[in-house]
Amino acid sequence: DIQMTQSPSSVSASIGDRVTITCRASQGINNWLTWYQQKPGKAPKLLIYGASSLHSGVPSRFSGSGSGTDFTLTISSLQPEDFATYYCQQANSFPLTFGGGTKVEIK
Amino acid sequence: QITLKESGPTLVKPTQTLTLTCTFSGFSLSISGVTVGWIRQPPGQALEWLALIYWNDDKRYSPSLKSRLTITKDTSKNQVVLTMTNMDPVDTATYYCAHGNPAHFDYWGQGTLVTVSS
Repeated sequence: DIQMTQSPSSVSASIGDRVTITCRASQGINNWLTWYQQKPGKAPKLLIYGASSLHSGVPSRFSGSGSGTDFTLTISSLQPEDFATYYCQQANSFPLTFGGGTKVEIK
Repeated sequence: QITLKESGPTLVKPTQTLTLTCTFSGFSLSISGVTVGWIRQPPGQALEWLALIYWNDDKRYSPSLKSRLTITKDTSKNQVVLTMTNMDPVDTATYYCAHGNPAHFDYWGQGTLVTVSS
């Protein structure tokens, strides 16, 4: 199985801050990396697929980069509605696997 | 507009079999490239992928749960069914179904919390 490791596990940030979350795969997954946002009590929402493609309707302050084993999700200017937990998922091979999540909290 | 909704029991006893139904609209599971997956999330924990079914009835399972899982589809009813045998309290989780594209999930159901307890 491909292990997905996210860091940090939590981050405290203020409105307007730039926030970066990292996801590392235990082996190369090309660009088959997906990012989701989840708010408490809600289902996850797709943000980015293919490592850097923005899903329809997702604000442009979200961006993704990386290839191979190392990937990054960046929120360029944190907004109040962005406080949530973020998960990465590899879609390169089965079993599909998720990272442990990164909680973005208010500073 | 793609929507999915999970249904099934909220409480099951240990050793029982869980049957969850995902009823969807806005797409057809008979169209090439379409998939539906099941993902679960224990309270306060991370997401875990369980199973995926393709438009051509190909199926994939989590290896750690493969012996307990069965995924099927009824294209005429726009439904996907997941069964999980021999339920245990550690299987307590919110279970989600989601539209796959094909191996990332772009639309999710609201989830259904299943508690395993005697």
